Amino acid sequence: AQTVTQSQPEMSVQEAETVTLSCTYDTSESDYYLFWYKQPPSRQMILVIRQEAYKQQNATENRFSVNFQKAAKSFSLKISDSQLGDAAMYFCVHSGGGADGLTFGKGTHLIIQP
Amino acid sequence: DVKVTQSSRYLVKRTGEKVFLECVQDMDHENMFWYRQDPGLGLRLIYFSYDVKMKEKGDIPEGYSVSREKKERFSLILESASTNQTSMYLCASSTAFQPQHFGDGTRLSIL
Repeated sequence: AQTVTQSQPEMSVQEAETVTLSCTYDTSESDYYLFWYKQPPSRQMILVIRQEAYKQQNATENRFSVNFQKAAKSFSLKISDSQLGDAAMYFCVHSGGGADGLTFGKGTHLIIQP
Repeated sequence: DVKVTQSSRYLVKRTGEKVFLECVQDMDHENMFWYRQDPGLGLRLIYFSYDVKMKEKGDIPEGYSVSREKKERFSLILESASTNQTSMYLCASSTAFQPQHFGDGTRLSIL
């Protein structure tokens, strides 16, 4: 069974600064996917970024980028130039692909200070 | 754009009632999922389905059942609701090897 660990229940950052959210995972699979989802107060779960385990290059999406360390089973999210709209709960997620459900970490609550 | 619609945003039911949570997706996705979300626990998978009339247990299926009679609709059933089933319920859908798309969630209270 997969496990996903987010060691930071809450993080706070000043607007326009950079913040990094940590995530480690455990899996016996060699091929899998990792995601970061955000859940703002509106409750809808929104995909932020995805990483295929077979790709060595770290994924980037505008101000969001990941540091994927496969050997260390680490998958951190960096948010550059933080904006007030980034305030949300962030979940690190593992997927084996296909029809299997996702395995979620417990989440990191990100606070953006103006 | 993918749309996953959950029938209720808020629902209040009584202990012992049979409760139905409905989820509909409009993108012809073969995979559908039900999760519950509790503070400090993240999301946990209850059941999923990879085809019509097919269902698989997730991590916490006890006290729940599901129904998938049509491809676009996936229902979660609480056979006899109990107070420990008070939670946020999220439905999701996906196609093979693509990220899941989530509905807005149903906040269910069992009194």
